[in-house]
Amino acid sequence: AQSVAQPEDQVNVAEGNPLTVKCTYSVSGNPYLFWYVQYPNRGLQFLLKYITGDNLVKGSYGFEAEFNKSQTSFHLKKPSALVSDSALYFCAVRDLAASGTYKYIFGTGTRLKVLA
Amino acid sequence: GAGVSQTPSNKVTEKGKYVELRCDPISGHTALYWYRQSLGQGPEFLIYFQGTGAADDSGLPNDRFFAVRPEGSVSTLKIQRTERGDSAVYLCASSLTLANEQYFGPGTRLTVT
Repeated sequence: AQSVAQPEDQVNVAEGNPLTVKCTYSVSGNPYLFWYVQYPNRGLQFLLKYITGDNLVKGSYGFEAEFNKSQTSFHLKKPSALVSDSALYFCAVRDLAASGTYKYIFGTGTRLKVLA
Repeated sequence: GAGVSQTPSNKVTEKGKYVELRCDPISGHTALYWYRQSLGQGPEFLIYFQGTGAADDSGLPNDRFFAVRPEGSVSTLKIQRTERGDSAVYLCASSLTLANEQYFGPGTRLTVT
């Protein structure tokens, strides 16, 4: 069955340090992978996606993610964290279901706290 | 440009009542999705539309839930005989096509008392 795992409920990092938010997936075919961010009392905002091509994908607000097929991972990274990056981050995968339609599956989210 | 809008932003209803939640997608987006998000969880897929038709409604929890998109734009999620377990934030998203990223609305917080 298709699934997305975000193994860390919370990640704490000091401002200016690099950050990583982990995501692993399990799908039957070639995955489309996404990262979204959710600020308090606001909707989810798209950060970046991987469909095909370069394994390193660059997105909004200085974030990037690395697709690793052998490890079935798509970790979100940023070289230097800002306090304003503190939010809830969701990894998602789009997979082709047996019915021929597409399903989007979201992880349970990782709360990122950047400490000043 | 205008993003995805959802109304109402908050809805409190009594157990057993009927509710309608509205989603206005980004103009020109053909795909529209409904999700439900409970506290501490990621969005849970309910249904998605490609144009006017429901392409996949396998996420609807039971037959009390129904959604329509009659003209391929605005969509309404309808819940009959609400139960306390239906309390959650209902999110709507749209995308240009199924291959593109989704843009989410701010959600409707439904509370069933």
